[in-house]
Amino acid sequence: DTGVSQNPRHKITKRGQNVTFRCDPISEHNRLYWYRQTLGQGPEFLTYFQNEAQLEKSRLLSDRFSAERPKGSFSTLEIQRTEQGDSAMYLCASSFTFWGQGSTGELFFGEGSRLTVL
Amino acid sequence: GQQVMQIPQYQHVQEGEDFTTYCNSSTTLSNIQWYKQRPGGHPVFLIQLVKSGEVKKQKRLTFQFGEAKKNSSLHITATQTTDVGTYFCAEKKYGNKLVFGAGTILRVKS
Repeated sequence: DTGVSQNPRHKITKRGQNVTFRCDPISEHNRLYWYRQTLGQGPEFLTYFQNEAQLEKSRLLSDRFSAERPKGSFSTLEIQRTEQGDSAMYLCASSFTFWGQGSTGELFFGEGSRLTVL
Repeated sequence: GQQVMQIPQYQHVQEGEDFTTYCNSSTTLSNIQWYKQRPGGHPVFLIQLVKSGEVKKQKRLTFQFGEAKKNSSLHITATQTTDVGTYFCAEKKYGNKLVFGAGTILRVKS
């Protein structure tokens, strides 16, 4: 399967613990995005990378959240000292964007990592 | 917060009936993308609209972008049970960042 891969798919943790999610994008895609989705809402943007550079972080992303994409391939999203309000589906998406030609900028989403904080 | 408003939040139709969801913005949209998310699934890209007044069709789905580029709609003709899911519109910002609406949940009774 050459789609976006996320793991773990489900994570149950106790309040105060740290969790880390991993995303493997489609291999030729240069952009990688993290979104958070809660029940009944659309995905909310958290952050995105172009290659290994983190270009934007949402104000939703508190200091407890950190994301990396060290070699411009896979990415990790770490949440420290989890709170119950962090419970959500964390979606990763990737896209390929190049200058000089039109592209839809279509995002390819992974299946998500569902976090439950008890 | 979300800058595009979608209505209705929820619609339950009889199989074979038509369905329309609307996406509205108070500001001019540079473009609009539509995604479908099946229950328990992830968002899947359907289409992008860029031009004022643009209309695109995909089989039973018709997508429109308003003349003022402040609204968009998705119309499904003769719904089928496979159309079940949540339909999201999203504005593509710089960096291909998407700002999603809250979505319209479609349920189809067979």
